[in-house]
Amino acid sequence: KAGVTQTPRYLIKTRGQQVTLSCSPISGHRSVSWYQQTPGQGLQFLFEYFSETQRNKGNFPGRFSGRQFSNSRSEMNVSTLELGDSALYLCASLKDSGANVLTFGAGSRLTVL
Amino acid sequence: KNEVEQSPQNLTAQEGEFITINCSYSVGISALHWLQQHPGGGIVSLFMLSSGKKKHGRLIATINIQEKHSSLHITASHPRDSAVYICAVEEREYGNKLVFGAGTILRVKS
Repeated sequence: KAGVTQTPRYLIKTRGQQVTLSCSPISGHRSVSWYQQTPGQGLQFLFEYFSETQRNKGNFPGRFSGRQFSNSRSEMNVSTLELGDSALYLCASLKDSGANVLTFGAGSRLTVL
Repeated sequence: KNEVEQSPQNLTAQEGEFITINCSYSVGISALHWLQQHPGGGIVSLFMLSSGKKKHGRLIATINIQEKHSSLHITASHPRDSAVYICAVEEREYGNKLVFGAGTILRVKS
C-alpha cells in the first residue's frame, strides 16, 4: 500500500512569500500531524488534524496554518515567510486516535532566501 | 529544562557492540515513541510504548512509567544502524501532540 506522500519535496522561496505544502496520508488514516525540523530546534509539533478538525496545535505563530480535506489529505500554509522558516516539514498519519504507530512522509524541505 | 531528555547526544560503537540510548521525560504521558532518522531526513517509527517492553529483531525498547524513563537497546550493532534515534512522548492531556527529544546520533564502525 502507498505510504505518506508529501509534495513538493524541495522548494525555495523568498522572504515575505507564502508557501503551501501537501500531505496525502495512507489510505484509511484519518489523522494527519505536521512537524517542523530545524538544526537548532530539532523536531517540533505544528498541528494535528482528525476528520477535518484541528485537534491539537503547537506553539507556532499564526502565520502557520493548516487544513484537512474530506479525503484526509492535508495542507499546511506558511504566510509572510521568514528566513527562520527554512526547515524540513514532515507530516505523519495515523489510522485513528489513540495508540497507533505513526507513519511519516519523506518531508518537504523549504529554503527561504 | 526540556520535557524530554535523551542521552547520550552522540555515540560511537564498534560493530557487534550492545548499545543503549536513554530517554527521560518530565510530563505525564499516554505513550512514548522511538523514531529512527537516517541522513536525508526520512523518519521511521520503531516502537510505540505505553508500558513494559517491546522487541523487534535486534531492537528492544523498555519503559518505566513510574520512573519516567525509557531505553532503546540495539544488540549486535551493525553499521546500517548508524542514524539519529529520537524519543518522543505523547503528553497525556494533549492526545497525539508529540514532544521530541533532541536525538542521539549513533555511528557504528565496522
